[in-house]
Amino acid sequence: GQNIDQPTEMTATEGAIVQINCTYQTSGFNGLFWYQQHAGEAPTFLSYNVLDGLEEKGRFSSFLSRSKGYSYLLLKELQMKDSASYLCAVLGGDYKLSFGAGTTVTVRA
Amino acid sequence: GAVVSQHPSWVICKSGTSVKIECRSLDFQATTMFWYRQFPKQSLMLMATSNEGSKATYEQGVEKDKFLINHASLTLSTLTVTSAHPEDSSFYICSAHDGRELHTQYFGPGTRLTVL
Repeated sequence: GQNIDQPTEMTATEGAIVQINCTYQTSGFNGLFWYQQHAGEAPTFLSYNVLDGLEEKGRFSSFLSRSKGYSYLLLKELQMKDSASYLCAVLGGDYKLSFGAGTTVTVRA
Repeated sequence: GAVVSQHPSWVICKSGTSVKIECRSLDFQATTMFWYRQFPKQSLMLMATSNEGSKATYEQGVEKDKFLINHASLTLSTLTVTSAHPEDSSFYICSAHDGRELHTQYFGPGTRLTVL
């Protein structure tokens, strides 16, 4: 089975940095995804990590440590439009995605 | 980029009726399609995996006779919710895989089902 944990909610100020942590225990591992989901919409792809280390893409960065079963998504220079739910998802050995419950990020002015 | 569409985007139906949701890959051939369900304030849960021309594989706890999946072509999969009840009200999302990069799934925009 898969077990994926991430915080339920986080609040930050516009322009600040927020780090969303995700820990996982899965049977087989073929990569970890971060998705952004606005209310009523489908998730949109943010990042994919399959090797250890940091992947940077503009204001968003994602880190993976396979030995620790740990990842984080770093959002820099927060904007109001970044208010959304952020989903951590693991691609298991069977190439099926298992999602965490999501972290709702609220950006305040 | 790869585009996946879903139809309808939202549907309201009476309890006891059946609802069909279509998932189409518009510019690629989808060897595999996945169906997810998302209840309010919860995450996506995989319901089933369908491969073109073969029976769908359902996740534990998902009733295959209630959620009929047909993947008749490489660009179309359908999910039929039979005898829908209010507890089936949810956001249904499909994704498609083109058989090349095994880690890549393209998500459809989702279908909001409300059963009265």
